[in-house]
Amino acid sequence: DQQVKQNSPSLSVQEGRISILNCDYTNSMFDYFLWYKKYPAEGPTFLISISSIKDKNEDGRFTVFLNKSAKHLSLHIVPSQPGDSAVYFCAASGGSGTYKYIFGTGTRLKVLA
Amino acid sequence: DAGVIQSPRHEVTEMGQEVTLRCKPISGHNSLFWYRQTMMRGLELLIYFNNNVPIDDSGMPEDRFSAKMPNASFSTLKIQPSEPRDSAVYFCASSLGQGLDTQYFGPGTRLTVL
Repeated sequence: DQQVKQNSPSLSVQEGRISILNCDYTNSMFDYFLWYKKYPAEGPTFLISISSIKDKNEDGRFTVFLNKSAKHLSLHIVPSQPGDSAVYFCAASGGSGTYKYIFGTGTRLKVLA
Repeated sequence: DAGVIQSPRHEVTEMGQEVTLRCKPISGHNSLFWYRQTMMRGLELLIYFNNNVPIDDSGMPEDRFSAKMPNASFSTLKIQPSEPRDSAVYFCASSLGQGLDTQYFGPGTRLTVL
């Protein structure tokens, strides 16, 4: 049973436009959320996080939005660049095992030049 | 800073053989994680060590899987005997402490069991 779901396996966006990656979760105990980016043949690298006390966190071109009532978060990349082409994993943590990240299956983003 | 180091990067073996994956965490990090990545299930936590002690091994799929951390700078994940369904990418990650410290991942080991 997937507690963290990324329902879009892939997404293509034109360079300069906005990329929106979505993530849904089912466990209301989750209170910390992260996005990791993964290039081929490399390990995932941390991108941005958000605590449940916030509904938005911004870092340069990357913004994560959290809608607790809908159990939904999204990652916005503006403007998208070809170097952003990668697999993006959403992860959630919280409750009794705060060290434990529950990852989604990932969304492959392709930014077209 | 060398980051998390994993070896080998690729492993191809035959069903029934023993496989050992190795990890060197970032120096000074007290927590170590082993993950498995598959298309169907994404990244799954297999086992978590803190200060070299296994804290949570609930993600280890079967008795065929075992992990050790004999010291702060080395960990192994062993599969014996290996099966084709074990084919996946295995990642090691480390973090500075417990809780929500950022986890830093190694490059992974791609395992293929024929």
